[in-house]
Amino acid sequence: GAGVSQSPRYKVAKRGQDVALRCDPISGHVSLFWYQQALGQGPEFLTYFQNEAQLDKSGLPSDRFFAERPEGSVSTLKIQRTQQEDSAVYLCASSLATRAYEQYFGPGTRLTVT
Amino acid sequence: AQSVTQLDSQVPVFEEAPVELRCNYSSSVSVYLFWYVQYPNQGLQLLLKYLSGSTLVKGINGFEAEFNKSQTSFHLRKPSVHISDTAEYFCAVNPKYSGGGADGLTFGKGTHLIIQP
Repeated sequence: GAGVSQSPRYKVAKRGQDVALRCDPISGHVSLFWYQQALGQGPEFLTYFQNEAQLDKSGLPSDRFFAERPEGSVSTLKIQRTQQEDSAVYLCASSLATRAYEQYFGPGTRLTVT
Repeated sequence: AQSVTQLDSQVPVFEEAPVELRCNYSSSVSVYLFWYVQYPNQGLQLLLKYLSGSTLVKGINGFEAEFNKSQTSFHLRKPSVHISDTAEYFCAVNPKYSGGGADGLTFGKGTHLIIQP
């Protein structure tokens, strides 16, 4: 079946612009996670949804970062007033509710802020 | 909180030679353990996982890993590597929950496996 998809795959933004990154999870996966992967580093947890409820946003680095999943499927990660330090690959993962530890990752969106 | 340490940022190995990628973790609770592989410009692919039971787990592409609770390690091994194994490898942990709930994975910084012909 189809895996996790993310769009766009690449995004270049000028500093100060707002961006929106989309994630389509695997059908039937109620858990959805966002991670940030800086160059040469491992992914770092940003936020977690179970259906439409955002249960953990402890990893969001600032109030410029906002995530939503209004209908419990597609999710959007929004970054307002982008800064150069926001440049990274943003990864989305989904999982079954009963096996939330077993996460399936999308290809990521590479964000470059100039 | 959990932390994962991958001591080797790069491991060069000749083709058909064995390889071991090291992973140590720290956690105040029991954890599940994972190894992921990331090929250039791609997302993470699950190689193998340890949930419970036998401490030796086998994964895809001929990889295996052994959980050592006393040493808090989960080293990844392959007896004979191929050029196509060139990639970034990440060790990760996730805390066990008895009553549901979920946490994000905690990853190490990764080890770049370089296969030399």
